[in-house]
Amino acid sequence: ETGVTQTPRHLVMGMTNKKSLKCEQHLGHNAMYWYKQSAKKPLELMFVYSLEERVENNSVPSRFSPECPNSSHLFLHLHTLQPEDSALYLCASSPQGFDTGELFFGEGSRLTVL
Amino acid sequence: GNSVTQMEGPVTLSEEAFLTINCTYTATGYPSLFWYVQYPGEGLQLLLKATKADDKGSNKGFEATYRKETTSFHLEKGSVQVSDSAVYFCALSGSGGYQKVTFGTGTKLQVIP
Repeated sequence: ETGVTQTPRHLVMGMTNKKSLKCEQHLGHNAMYWYKQSAKKPLELMFVYSLEERVENNSVPSRFSPECPNSSHLFLHLHTLQPEDSALYLCASSPQGFDTGELFFGEGSRLTVL
Repeated sequence: GNSVTQMEGPVTLSEEAFLTINCTYTATGYPSLFWYVQYPGEGLQLLLKATKADDKGSNKGFEATYRKETTSFHLEKGSVQVSDSAVYFCALSGSGGYQKVTFGTGTKLQVIP
């Protein structure tokens, strides 16, 4: 139990589907992150929310839409994805204001786009 | 910008062998350095960290020393076990109100009995 829970663990979708990934943290943290993990590439930071406000958006295509309704929940809404978007999507959290560099990750959602 | 370079894998070792995974970094200022580990089917978890030059991070028999002169943070373990099979990520963190962490590409370690 890592304290960060992601659902679903696996998702297969067509290019015209609309789906969402969900992340929930039980650690009392104030910052939450979405990362994309693709084979043989560094983890790509997609979005950061600090105190429910988006503070980072790393040139992510608009077909990915994040939502952070409160400090414990983070969503990634997916629409009209491409096959190259197939990857493991990791959610993480951290205590905002503490510059420890330590991130707490969920187990990831494995996305396959057909 | 910040970047992390680590040796490509996979690395295959026999049980009880000595492990070294090389990591070098490029960063402005004085970053903190980390090793994260990802076991099969799981997310990343922090293995060890060092926050200033010459610090040694250690955990579960793994060690890494923050070398500012060579901008390196190599991971070592004296005697690996099958249970150490995983992907290891070197990372660094700049300053900021949230954690701006830059990761390397990861090195897969396979330990065979």
